[in-house]
Amino acid sequence: DQQVKQNSPSLSVQEGRISILNCDYTNSMFDYFLWYKKYPAEGPTFLISISSIKDKNEDGRFTVFLNKSAKHLSLHIVPSQPGDSAVYFCAVHNAGKSTFGDGTTLTVKP
Amino acid sequence: DVKVTQSSRYLVKRTGEKVFLECVQDMDHENMFWYRQDPGLGLRLIYFSYDVKMKEKGDIPEGYSVSREKKERFSLILESASTNQTSMYLCASSLGRDPAGEQYFGPGTRLTVT
Repeated sequence: DQQVKQNSPSLSVQEGRISILNCDYTNSMFDYFLWYKKYPAEGPTFLISISSIKDKNEDGRFTVFLNKSAKHLSLHIVPSQPGDSAVYFCAVHNAGKSTFGDGTTLTVKP
Repeated sequence: DVKVTQSSRYLVKRTGEKVFLECVQDMDHENMFWYRQDPGLGLRLIYFSYDVKMKEKGDIPEGYSVSREKKERFSLILESASTNQTSMYLCASSLGRDPAGEQYFGPGTRLTVT
């Protein structure tokens, strides 16, 4: 039973527009929700997180939204830049460990 | 700046060989993790450790074991490598008191078992 799902394997957007990446989870017991970015031939790097008691967290061009009733997490990138092209993983965290989604490949076209 | 290093970027081994993947972190993190990444399957947790000499099974521990003799070092062992263990292996660490569990990853080891 997959606890975290990213239903879109890929997303393509134009430079300057908004990128919206989505993630659904099944369990209500998670404390934190995180997004990581991964470039080819590198390990994932942490991007942004949100506590389960909040519904929005913003860091520069990146905003994470949490809808607990829908068990849905989204990452907004505005404006998108070509350097944002990467694989994005959402993760849910509880009791010291995280469970990751399958990832969404974002391509930002110049 | 946290650094997580892995002993090899690329490794080619034969079926049945014993394989050691080493991971070292330099930020005194309590928690360490081993994942494998396969296309379409995301990152799957193999084993993790909250402290020296402690280990916990993750979601896919079969065919693997781990060793944590020192706080900074976490080793993944494939006792008898098989072709279905061909994958990208990622090591990560995190601070024990960080409630969000932000993890710092190494660059990965691409293991091919022939």
